[in-house]
Amino acid sequence: GAVVSQHPSWVICKSGTSVKIECRSLDFQATTMFWYRQFPKQSLMLMATSNEGSKATYEQGVEKDKFLINHASLTLSTLTVTSAHPEDSSFYICSAGTGANTEAFFGQGTRLTVV
Amino acid sequence: RKEVEQDPGPFNVPEGATVAFNCTYSNSASQSFFWYRQDCRKEPKLLMSVYSSGNEDGRFTAQLNRASQYISLLIRDSKLSDSATYLCVVKRYDMRFGAGTRLTVKP
Repeated sequence: GAVVSQHPSWVICKSGTSVKIECRSLDFQATTMFWYRQFPKQSLMLMATSNEGSKATYEQGVEKDKFLINHASLTLSTLTVTSAHPEDSSFYICSAGTGANTEAFFGQGTRLTVV
Repeated sequence: RKEVEQDPGPFNVPEGATVAFNCTYSNSASQSFFWYRQDCRKEPKLLMSVYSSGNEDGRFTAQLNRASQYISLLIRDSKLSDSATYLCVVKRYDMRFGAGTRLTVKP
């Protein structure tokens, strides 16, 4: 099956720094990727839709200037958490699919801890 | 109202029990439906797709009722390894997740 690789799998950073998370589709081209965030004991919440070659579409309540998304190629989307604060500590996960009616494939997730 | 609603549980059942999870969705334009399983601190993994005709995969049976906008998952003869959070997922353009139902199967 299709594989999505996410890196890093975990990161600890100081408050005020920025963290970049990469999401790659390894064996297929993904014009669209999705970024989710999951707080402990809660469900995955869609943050934004990453579109190759154009601006990302953000969900209501998600700050686009804080969570920068770049989808420069058909196999790579990046999420940068700028000026991270402890409340940004969460599990961030990306997904991509090969078609409208097919399952989505998930990256392994990135556990971000801001201290 | 949430777009995808699930009973959060938790469900604590003995081995061998049959357990059923329910899910409703609000957007009638939803195109495809899935059940995913998520283990603690891991990414979700596809358990099965859900079709109007119903589908079965071993001990797992999924049903979709488009008229009622209702999805179900039945697990028979539950195993210890079935302990996880089960996510109801609805897809149009993007995927929307239910809050998940936590299942613990005990010896």
